[in-house]
Amino acid sequence: GNSVTQMEGPVTLSEEAFLTINCTYTATGYPSLFWYVQYPGEGLQLLLKATKADDKGSNKGFEATYRKETTSFHLEKGSVQVSDSAVYFCARGVSDKIIFGKGTRLHILP
Amino acid sequence: DGGITQSPKYLFRKEGQNVTLSCEQNLNHDAMYWYRQDPGQGLRLIYYSQIVNDFQKGDIAEGYSVSREKKESFPLTVTSAQKNPTAFYLCASSMEVGGRTEAFFGQGTRLTVV
Repeated sequence: GNSVTQMEGPVTLSEEAFLTINCTYTATGYPSLFWYVQYPGEGLQLLLKATKADDKGSNKGFEATYRKETTSFHLEKGSVQVSDSAVYFCARGVSDKIIFGKGTRLHILP
Repeated sequence: DGGITQSPKYLFRKEGQNVTLSCEQNLNHDAMYWYRQDPGQGLRLIYYSQIVNDFQKGDIAEGYSVSREKKESFPLTVTSAQKNPTAFYLCASSMEVGGRTEAFFGQGTRLTVV
């Protein structure tokens, strides 16, 4: 089937720590992969995307690499800030829609 | 500025009443979507539309209805048949059908049924 699985939260880190949020997907073919971010009380915003194997999406210091061999798209950031506190969603494109993971809440402590 | 507008931001209704949530986009996108968000459950797809006058059920369509009479508009009606309607509703659109391009989201409508 088509699904997206991401690590459960909440994830709590200190400022300037290294962040990894794992995401794996099931798919046939070559889906597009996305990371979205949701700040409290708001809709989702696209953070980064990758459309083919080995592509690296990056934005605001966040990175994720499309790994076809492991069907993964893990989100990383070298040094997180308090302002990065939000809920992060991994998603993949299916033939006519986008499927989301359950989201990972991230808390960054000053 | 182009974007997606959902209204209202907060909505209160009595149990048993139908209520319609508005979603308008001026991005000239073909595809539009409605998601429901509940704590700990991520986003669940209610309905989606690939083109005007056509729409498909998502994973949790029961108790909801939609229409797509104009490209710009995709209203969602929460009917009295929806057993647990209190939730945060998100509308989105994307340029192309096919899931290869990203979705753009509105700011959401928080519906509370009392």
